[in-house]
Amino acid sequence: DGGITQSPKYLFRKEGQNVTLSCEQNLNHDAMYWYRQDPGQGLRLIYYSQIVNDFQKGDIAEGYSVSREKKESFPLTVTSAQKNPTAFYLCASSTFRDTEAFFGQGTRLTVV
Amino acid sequence: AQSVAQPEDQVNVAEGNPLTVKCTYSVSGNPYLFWYVQYPNRGLQFLLKYITGDNLVKGSYGFEAEFNKSQTSFHLKKPSALVSDSALYFCAVRDMANDKIIFGKGTRLHILP
Repeated sequence: DGGITQSPKYLFRKEGQNVTLSCEQNLNHDAMYWYRQDPGQGLRLIYYSQIVNDFQKGDIAEGYSVSREKKESFPLTVTSAQKNPTAFYLCASSTFRDTEAFFGQGTRLTVV
Repeated sequence: AQSVAQPEDQVNVAEGNPLTVKCTYSVSGNPYLFWYVQYPNRGLQFLLKYITGDNLVKGSYGFEAEFNKSQTSFHLKKPSALVSDSALYFCAVRDMANDKIIFGKGTRLHILP
């Protein structure tokens, strides 16, 4: 089955620790995206990548980092510099500009 | 910069009545517009899109959307609401200059039995 997979579904982190969220797709999509979702704020773009080995900052990139070493994979690291990391994180991918994005099921990160 | 506005945080509709969820946009150039639905603790599911052509776009689960260029709107509609339509709905626009996909803040739709 083609799709986009995020893991883990739930993640708990202690303050001061870095944590990496996984996003893998087997749809052969060029573009991949990371969004953060908080209640009442919709989806805010963290980072996006249009091709391998290249990525751009979104609207709220501070405290986050990404890599795009393979077309299929776009991991997101939440660093200790992110002041309020507790949120629902969504990964998406798409092909051409006139097509829709496909979303993973999300990772809920909680800082304890 | 491209932007999307969903003016209503919540919409309540009685089951069987028509529903409308509003969306307005601001883009430079031709808009590529999308609607998505989200159920609790899940990812977003694609409903429909407008790229070009007819202003009335039909999508999944009986939903449709009307593109109005003069009013820069892309409202989501359904002729007869179901309780199972209760969810969070997002409007989105694709920025053709840099491939960003920008979302509105979402509208929570409650269908009352």
